[in-house]
Amino acid sequence: ETGVTQTPRHLVMGMTNKKSLKCEQHLGHNAMYWYKQSAKKPLELMFVYNFKEQTENNSVPSRFSPECPNSSHLFLHLHTLQPEDSALYLCASSPGTSQETQYFGPGTRLLVL
Amino acid sequence: TQLLEQSPQFLSIQEGENLTVYCNSSSVFSSLQWYRQEPGEGPVLLVTVVTGGEVKKLKRLTFQFGDARKDSSLHITAAQPGDTGLYLCAGAGLTGGGNKLTFGTGTQLKVEL
Repeated sequence: ETGVTQTPRHLVMGMTNKKSLKCEQHLGHNAMYWYKQSAKKPLELMFVYNFKEQTENNSVPSRFSPECPNSSHLFLHLHTLQPEDSALYLCASSPGTSQETQYFGPGTRLLVL
Repeated sequence: TQLLEQSPQFLSIQEGENLTVYCNSSSVFSSLQWYRQEPGEGPVLLVTVVTGGEVKKLKRLTFQFGDARKDSSLHITAAQPGDTGLYLCAGAGLTGGGNKLTFGTGTQLKVEL
């Protein structure tokens, strides 16, 4: 248990569906991250939030829309996804804005049909 | 773009054997972290190395940061089935990258009885 939870753990959706991934951290951290992990590819940083403000958007398509209502919660809203978006989506948090350890959630395994 | 190449990509060994995983880059990093990821879970931090030439030990695991802070190695002595997992190195950049980490390509280790 790393103190970072993600729901759902598994998700299957059609290309026309809209769904949301949720991440919650119980560590009192101020930075939160979304990563995409695909087979045979390095972990890809998608978004970074520091103190609820988005500080990084790593050229992510607009069909992925993040939301950070407070420092403890992070959402990833999904709409009109493509099959190549199927992957493990990992949420992480860290204490602040320096290069500290990141604590990862267990991920959401997404399959887009 | 800072890239981290890990080798080998896959490794399958017998219990009791020794192994070394390498993490190489042409870029200099201010620090380097090693994570282990088990199936169905997110990556968990094993160690952070900061100083060039630094060596850290964690039970049967020995981590070394290269003198020039461009590369790192992970050596496991007398591997056990519990060491099975995906090993990821992650570098923190020097150029004001804030809290961004660059993850390596990963080494999938399987230790069999």
